[in-house]
Amino acid sequence: GQQVQQSPASLVLQEGENAELQCNFSSTATQLQWFYQSPGGSLVSLLSNPSGTKHTGRLTSTTVTKERRSSLHISSSQTTDSGTYLCAIAGAGGNYKPTFGKGTSLVVHP
Amino acid sequence: NTKITQSPRYLILGRANKSLECEQHLGHNAMYWYKQSAEKPPELMFLYNLKQLIRNETVPSRFIPECPDSSKLLLHISAVDPEDSAVYFCASSQAQSNERLFFGHGTKLSVL
Repeated sequence: GQQVQQSPASLVLQEGENAELQCNFSSTATQLQWFYQSPGGSLVSLLSNPSGTKHTGRLTSTTVTKERRSSLHISSSQTTDSGTYLCAIAGAGGNYKPTFGKGTSLVVHP
Repeated sequence: NTKITQSPRYLILGRANKSLECEQHLGHNAMYWYKQSAEKPPELMFLYNLKQLIRNETVPSRFIPECPDSSKLLLHISAVDPEDSAVYFCASSQAQSNERLFFGHGTKLSVL
């Protein structure tokens, strides 16, 4: 089945610093989403980016499909960015099964 | 997110039977049940597309999904086990494949 690895497992920043999160996956993905989850909270979709580069606010995601990797860049981090960032992958056709990585836990100190 | 509603929000059970409910107001055709145990990512349990069960993951038989119409999803649980303690999320997408997932706020199940 689809394997999704995220790195780093955890990250601690000072407010204002930038963050770079990585997602690697084992087989072809036709859908890739980045989610944010606060402690005890639900999953909030940040970006849908199966290929190329997409921006929204302080977030930039770059996915290189043939290399099976995606990154999420958070610029000028804020304390409210603290939480877990999850990458979810889905493959094509009959192998469609949205699968999550274990996430990156981000803590931003004031 | 008020577009996907789940009930109840919290559930504390002994070894009883209970049903979780989900309704989406997005006009989506695919709906999902995910289980998230403590400190773990969400894991897919069931997937419905246009009311048809497409994926039935290897979950215990005491979990029975039901999709009475394309906007509603139920999860019936019989004789819950302590290992069932988790947050159960409902999600939906426009179609089964290649579409963005949207999640409800979850039902936190605690088994005594």
